[in-house]
Amino acid sequence: KNEVEQSPQNLTAQEGEFITINCSYSVGISALHWLQQHPGGGIVSLFMLSSGKKKHGRLIATINIQEKHSSLHITASHPRDSAVYICAVRLGSYGKLTFGQGTILTVHP
Amino acid sequence: GAVVSQHPSWVICKSGTSVKIECRSLDFQATTMFWYRQFPKQSLMLMATSNEGSKATYEQGVEKDKFLINHASLTLSTLTVTSAHPEDSSFYICSAFPPGGKETQYFGPGTRLLVL
Repeated sequence: KNEVEQSPQNLTAQEGEFITINCSYSVGISALHWLQQHPGGGIVSLFMLSSGKKKHGRLIATINIQEKHSSLHITASHPRDSAVYICAVRLGSYGKLTFGQGTILTVHP
Repeated sequence: GAVVSQHPSWVICKSGTSVKIECRSLDFQATTMFWYRQFPKQSLMLMATSNEGSKATYEQGVEKDKFLINHASLTLSTLTVTSAHPEDSSFYICSAFPPGGKETQYFGPGTRLLVL
């Protein structure tokens, strides 16, 4: 069993739909990252969370430390949101990350 | 915002040759950089942690003599794939932390390596 599990693995949506991607982890963490990887491969860090909720534009990330669970929400999805979304956890202050397998999101116009 | 660059962005080489990949932090100093590898349709796997002025720390199963890491300055880490083989073909990505805390990791754009 992976330390970081994401669901779903693949997600298809119509433009405008509300999207949720889930991440569960099995160990204590110091922080959780949500990353976005576009087809070209480049990775962008969307959020770093250690508690609560963060919002940036149409993106919202939440984390429940007790339940070891985080969600990434995209409101009013758009085709340009199509990418792989990766959850990664940091186990200490050192910075080393353990990654989930990623969720492939496709948003159709 | 902080930017991390990688060079080259892609490279094709013959089996048996060595390839050097550079990772630079462009507007901040990074005492620690990380090197990852990503095979097609798989997630990132940490290969090693590059520490400025000291030896890199390699993850289990990663051959330190094959993947040489040098972090000679606070803005540059290099990964050299020695005697590359086709199974080393992969997407290599580095990341770095700005100083003052471990808040956000900044990722390089990646280097795609194809070994023929």
